[in-house]
Amino acid sequence: AQSVTQLDSQVPVFEEAPVELRCNYSSSVSVYLFWYVQYPNQGLQLLLKYLSGSTLVESINGFEAEFNKSQTSFHLRKPSVHISDTAEYFCAVSQNTGNQFYFGTGTSLTVIP
Amino acid sequence: NAGVMQNPRHLVRRRGQEARLRCSPMKGHSHVYWYRQLPEEGLKFMVYLQKENIIDESGMPKERFSAEFPKEGPSILRIQQVVRGDSAAYFCASSPVGQGRDTQYFGPGTRLTVL
Repeated sequence: AQSVTQLDSQVPVFEEAPVELRCNYSSSVSVYLFWYVQYPNQGLQLLLKYLSGSTLVESINGFEAEFNKSQTSFHLRKPSVHISDTAEYFCAVSQNTGNQFYFGTGTSLTVIP
Repeated sequence: NAGVMQNPRHLVRRRGQEARLRCSPMKGHSHVYWYRQLPEEGLKFMVYLQKENIIDESGMPKERFSAEFPKEGPSILRIQQVVRGDSAAYFCASSPVGQGRDTQYFGPGTRLTVL
């Protein structure tokens, strides 16, 4: 089984500042990696995912994440945040045995005007 | 193309009652997954179903919880004799055949409150 760690439970950041949300997982054996975003009282929306190929993946709204196999990390970054980025962000991992996703505990991003 | 549908969105039950949560997957998806999100925690896998089959129920509590995905109709997560510890958000996800490992679409969740 996988273990997914999101060390920062809450991240406050000023508008237009850069942000990094950290994610580490326990095993790099053939994993797929995901970031989901959850707005208040809504379901999870896929932000971006790494399946194979380039280790840097991007979303349409300016987020990016880099798969680092040696550090078993998949940190999420954005160079300049907006108020609308305020939400809960979940890192998730799947592996080649089974179909379940393993989720971290989430990071609450609050963008301050 | 409608997304994953879940109902009800909010459900209140008293201790000892039964809770039934429904999930309709995206059109064309035949695989359904149920996850539970306890307060202040991430989502935890409960069960993976295909039409008329339970494929993996390794995350389901051994008692009081059951799930089904009949040939016709939505998937149902059933919790008998609910207790306060069952209060959580329950999310359903669906995927196309053979893509569960890399593609799961989530519904809006059902928030269960047990009084």
